[in-house]
Amino acid sequence: QSVLTQPPSVSAAPGQKVTISCSGSSSNIGNNYVSWYQLLPTTAPKLLIYENKERPSGITDRFSGSKSGTSATLDITGLQTGDEADYFCGTWDSTLSAYVFGTGTKVTVL
Amino acid sequence: EVQLVESGGGLVQPGGSVRISCVASGFIFSGSWMSWVRQAPGKGLEWVANTNQAGSDKYYVDSVKGRFTISRDNAKNSLYLQMSSLRAEDAGVYYCVRGGSRTFDYWGQGTLVTVSS
Repeated sequence: QSVLTQPPSVSAAPGQKVTISCSGSSSNIGNNYVSWYQLLPTTAPKLLIYENKERPSGITDRFSGSKSGTSATLDITGLQTGDEADYFCGTWDSTLSAYVFGTGTKVTVL
Repeated sequence: EVQLVESGGGLVQPGGSVRISCVASGFIFSGSWMSWVRQAPGKGLEWVANTNQAGSDKYYVDSVKGRFTISRDNAKNSLYLQMSSLRAEDAGVYYCVRGGSRTFDYWGQGTLVTVSS
């Protein structure tokens, strides 16, 4: 089982905001950068956020990330139907010597 | 444009072996750490293995150590994963990913490995 905990699901109406949390420990989030990934059924997974809050080129600023202590957060503002997907946080775990992913969160647009 | 194209998945019997491949284009393959990440049916993501630019350093998740081997051929812009002693829990989609331990910035579409008799 994953060492990073996310809520199984979040939902909101179009145009609204959702927040996805990712809770870890000092061996992972507390001392390493966090990334966020989007998984859609028909396309390759996509990197949304790296180094806690940086967006790769081409990623809309509707996605934003932050980190505080041993937790990280992904915010999606101006929610669109195309944002319906599974979202995973990820980071290196220094104790496990392995890259670890969160449990995943399904975003539903109502 | 960065592209990662996996191949080689399929149906394998428990205890069997298979090698999956990934051909990279659109970036300097020999300058990048590369990884394999998998997703079991209905489950989350799991990092499987990574290798450095030269292929001299290799790291694995505990559950595959001694059974899987990651390798690369920089002359062919290719990444491989040799999987042996396969178990039911190894089934899933295997993604070829650019990156090692910091972030994974490009992903392939994945290749499906099914382990069943």
